[in-house]
Amino acid sequence: DAGVIQSPRHEVTEMGQEVTLRCKPISGHDYLFWYRQTMMRGLELLIYFNNNVPIDDSGMPEDRFSAKMPNASFSTLKIQPSEPRDSAVYFCASSPGPLRSNQPQHFGDGTRLSIL
Amino acid sequence: AQRVTQPEKLLSVFKGAPVELKCNYSYSGSPELFWYVQYSRQRLQLLLRHISRESIKGFTADLNKGETSFHLKKPFAQEEDSAMYYCAPEEGGSEKLVFGKGTKLTVNP
Repeated sequence: DAGVIQSPRHEVTEMGQEVTLRCKPISGHDYLFWYRQTMMRGLELLIYFNNNVPIDDSGMPEDRFSAKMPNASFSTLKIQPSEPRDSAVYFCASSPGPLRSNQPQHFGDGTRLSIL
Repeated sequence: AQRVTQPEKLLSVFKGAPVELKCNYSYSGSPELFWYVQYSRQRLQLLLRHISRESIKGFTADLNKGETSFHLKKPFAQEEDSAMYYCAPEEGGSEKLVFGKGTKLTVNP
């Protein structure tokens, strides 16, 4: 089991460019989470999906960020246009069920994003 | 909103010594509580969860509702315990976890 798969592992691009991060959750997991990790703010939840439907996007910093989950096996996080302050490590995680049913979140390796 | 405080960014102990990683949270209800760990070159993963009352790799976590604390403890630290540890309480009544900024534990030989 490869677990949660994220791509790319590293991305370096110039400000103003569109950035697309990809995530393949563990098969059978109904919940998918996108997090951002920075030195200043730590690990923050951006958005999460349940059965492909966005449930809470209150952590998305601004309209430049968007996330989609077109099917149960794929999600994208898009930044357009990108800015240097978006530089961070972005994690995707999936879970087979809700927190209160004792289900852990399984994390991917993350995408290290650098906006120049 | 839930706030999490892990007061020590760095913690260094010697092998065989007891270790305690502190965590305080703000939500005064009954949130689900978790500790996650990231070993070098590995993914962030669940270490233990309060609801299971479990001991994993010799670690236990004590909930003190009055102090809203969920400290992680191990009586005898091992070198392989060196890692980043994150306390993660639930955002009250939601599916969201709020992660602390983490404590980097180093266990010296």
